[in-house]
This record gives sequence, C-alpha cells and structure tokens, in this order.
Amino acid sequence: AQSVTQLDSQVPVFEEAPVELRCNYSSSVSVYLFWYVQYPNQGLQLLLKYLSGSTLVKGINGFEAEFNKSQTSFHLRKPSVHISDTAEYFCAVIEFTNAGKSTFGDGTTLTVKP
Amino acid sequence: DGGITQSPKYLFRKEGQNVTLSCEQNLNHDAMYWYRQDPGQGLRLIYYSQIVNDFQKGDIAEGYSVSREKKESFPLTVTSAQKNPTAFYLCASSWTGNTEAFFGQGTRLTVV
Repeated sequence: AQSVTQLDSQVPVFEEAPVELRCNYSSSVSVYLFWYVQYPNQGLQLLLKYLSGSTLVKGINGFEAEFNKSQTSFHLRKPSVHISDTAEYFCAVIEFTNAGKSTFGDGTTLTVKP
Repeated sequence: DGGITQSPKYLFRKEGQNVTLSCEQNLNHDAMYWYRQDPGQGLRLIYYSQIVNDFQKGDIAEGYSVSREKKESFPLTVTSAQKNPTAFYLCASSWTGNTEAFFGQGTRLTVV
C-alpha cells in the first residue's frame, strides 16, 4: 500500500526567503505525484504534478518540485516566498494500479512572516 | 464555469441525527470522492465512485453512506452511527485513471 510522509508539520519563514517543503513516499509500484495548496476553510487546489518525463516540474505561483525516484522523494520549493503563500500544503500520490485513488500526507503549514 | 459545488458551507446538527452533505460537479468527471479532514491528520478517504450506481468504501467508511444515481451528484450521509462526525468534509472529482483531483470548497459539519 502507498503512503506519504510530509517531514515537517510546520515551516515558518520570512518573506522573500527560499523554502523547501519535504515529501517522501512509499510504494511498491510506480506512482504519480502531486502537490496541493489549501487556504483556510477552502478546498485544495493543484500546485503541480509529476506524471512522467522531466523530474523537475514547475507549477503555479512560482513553485517547483523535483521527483527523486531513488530517494522516493518529491520536495516542493520556492526561491522567494510572499505573505500570500501562507497556507497548508499537501503532498499526494496515486499508484499506477490504484485507479485514481489519492493518498495524502498530513500536510505542512507554511507561515510566511513579514 | 465548471467546478464542484458543495453545500452547505457550514452545517450544525444535533447528536443522533442523520445529515446529508451535497456535492455536485459539472466537469463531466467519471470519478467522485469524499474525504474527511481533521486538524493534523490530512485527508482521509471515506467513499469513492468511479461510475454511476457503483461506489466503494474508503479507509474510514463506517458511519457514512453515499449514493451515485447521477454522474453529476455524489451526496454523503453522515449517520448517527458515526461516533465523531464533527469535521471538515471535502468532495472531489477526477477523470477516471491517474489524474489530479478537483476539490469543492468543503462543508464544515459541527454536531452538538
């Protein structure tokens, strides 16, 4: 069975600083990988996804992530954060054989301070 | 505009009462999902459906029921058998297969 571990539950950073949100996964088969963002009392919105091809994927709002198959990781990065990036971020995986069912990590709360 | 609509946004119910949460999508997606979100626990899958008139239990189905009579609609009933129903409920949909999910805005259920 697939599982997702987000290594940091909370990440505080100052505005304009770089940030990395870490995500590791476990699966016995190949997976698709996703990062979602959730603002308070709202649904989740897709930031980016890795399906195949280049291991560095770029998403919305200046975020990017790199798929590392050997380390089973999919860390999310942004070179310079803004106050508006304050939100909760979820990493998710879908196994090739699991017909669209996503498994989510527990989330990382990113707080950007002025 | 295409999207997923959950209603109501906030819902209050007395303990012991059943309550139904609405989820409608106009994205022509085949698959629909219900998740429960509690602080610090991420999203847990309650039920999912990949085709009309068919659905499967997720990881925490006990105390919940669903129906899928129309492609566009996937209502969730929280029954009195659910021991701790207060939570944020999210509905999602996707194309069949391994693609991203599109989420509604959620329903916050409070049982008093």
